[in-house]
Amino acid sequence: EDQVTQSPEALRLQEGESSSLNCSYTVSGLRGLFWYRQDPGKGPEFLFTLYSAGEEKEKERLKATLTKKESFLHITAPKPEDSATYLCAVQAVNYKLSFGAGTTVTVRA
Amino acid sequence: GAVVSQHPSWVICKSGTSVKIECRSLDFQATTMFWYRQFPKQSLMLMATSNEGSKATYEQGVEKDKFLINHASLTLSTLTVTSAHPEDSSFYICSAEPGAGVAALSYEQYFGPGTRLTVT
Repeated sequence: EDQVTQSPEALRLQEGESSSLNCSYTVSGLRGLFWYRQDPGKGPEFLFTLYSAGEEKEKERLKATLTKKESFLHITAPKPEDSATYLCAVQAVNYKLSFGAGTTVTVRA
Repeated sequence: GAVVSQHPSWVICKSGTSVKIECRSLDFQATTMFWYRQFPKQSLMLMATSNEGSKATYEQGVEKDKFLINHASLTLSTLTVTSAHPEDSSFYICSAEPGAGVAALSYEQYFGPGTRLTVT
């Protein structure tokens, strides 16, 4: 069974304080690893897809990296508007997404 | 591009009634759509996979007679919660994976904004 574990569960940062979120996974046949951002009461917003170990992608203050067992989402110099729950999901060859429980990030001004 | 809409955004219904939720891909065709349920402070749980022109595939523990899914076209899937009860109150979210064109090369799933269902 595919499993995704995210840590920490919650992260409180001061504005400008960089940090990283972890996503550990086990999956039978990885098709892709996805990062989403979810604001309260909203659907997940797509951030990145990573397909193979060693791959990295960046978008503004966010950078996602992938190894064979885990992925990291690095937040550089975060701003209050980066406050959200960040979800990691793996997609197996059967096209289904398995989500982690998420990391809720709060950035204080 | 890659926008998914849901309607309604929220609905309140009485116990025993049925509710239909629509999921539309606005600027792409989706041969496959997915329905998720999310309880407060929990992550998304896949309920079923909807394929255009064929029967939906339900995850273990999801009652197919209670949660009716119809994928009538390449841009529309509907979820009907039949004989709703208070325990069905949840946040229902759909997603769609582009089935053609450039976007189809990326395996990305795009999510709708969700529908908040409250059963009284």
